[in-house]
Amino acid sequence: DSGVTQTPKHLITATGQRVTLRCSPRSGDLSVYWYQQSLDQGLQFLIHYYNGEERAKGNILERFSAQQFPDLHSELNLSSLELGDSALYFCASSVGRTRYEQYFGPGTRLTVT
Amino acid sequence: GENVEQHPSTLSVQEGDSAVIKCTYSDSASNYFPWYKQELGKRPQLIIDIRSNVGEKKDQRIAVTLNKTAKHFSLHITETQPEDSAVYFCAPNNQAGTALIFGKGTTLSVSS
Repeated sequence: DSGVTQTPKHLITATGQRVTLRCSPRSGDLSVYWYQQSLDQGLQFLIHYYNGEERAKGNILERFSAQQFPDLHSELNLSSLELGDSALYFCASSVGRTRYEQYFGPGTRLTVT
Repeated sequence: GENVEQHPSTLSVQEGDSAVIKCTYSDSASNYFPWYKQELGKRPQLIIDIRSNVGEKKDQRIAVTLNKTAKHFSLHITETQPEDSAVYFCAPNNQAGTALIFGKGTTLSVSS
């Protein structure tokens, strides 16, 4: 157990819908990262927040957005869902600054039908 | 952006053999080089990492070596066991140090 929690574990929804995935980092970690893992694309970095502020963006679609709240938990919002958005979504956390070690949560499996 | 390649993409060994996976990266500013292990349906787990000021690091049966000049680092697993079977990812950090860029993974199968 890494100490990073994610909810829900599974999510099944229809095309065009919007969902919110939630992540709580390890105690003391200020950075949260979101990744998408699909069979054909591997682990793709989406976005990084540090202490409430966006630090870096990766291959995140405009239909996706994220935020990190004052209590440091983070939410990833996915809207106008398409079949191709079906994937495992992981968040990871790290202390931040010059401590780069990232610890992953168990993931949320999203199925868009 | 950073380009990361892993070789081989699949590796099959007999129990007790050694396994080596190589990762090449393009960003000369990368200074952190981790390896993750992911079992089927589970989260990626950090198994070993190295910083750019160190050439080699060992932890029991696993080791990582870094060649910054050639821009590659490798994972070495000795005395492999069936429970080492998993997908292994290298993930050097980007220039700003704000993200890890994952390779496409190497599927290691250890047969007994």
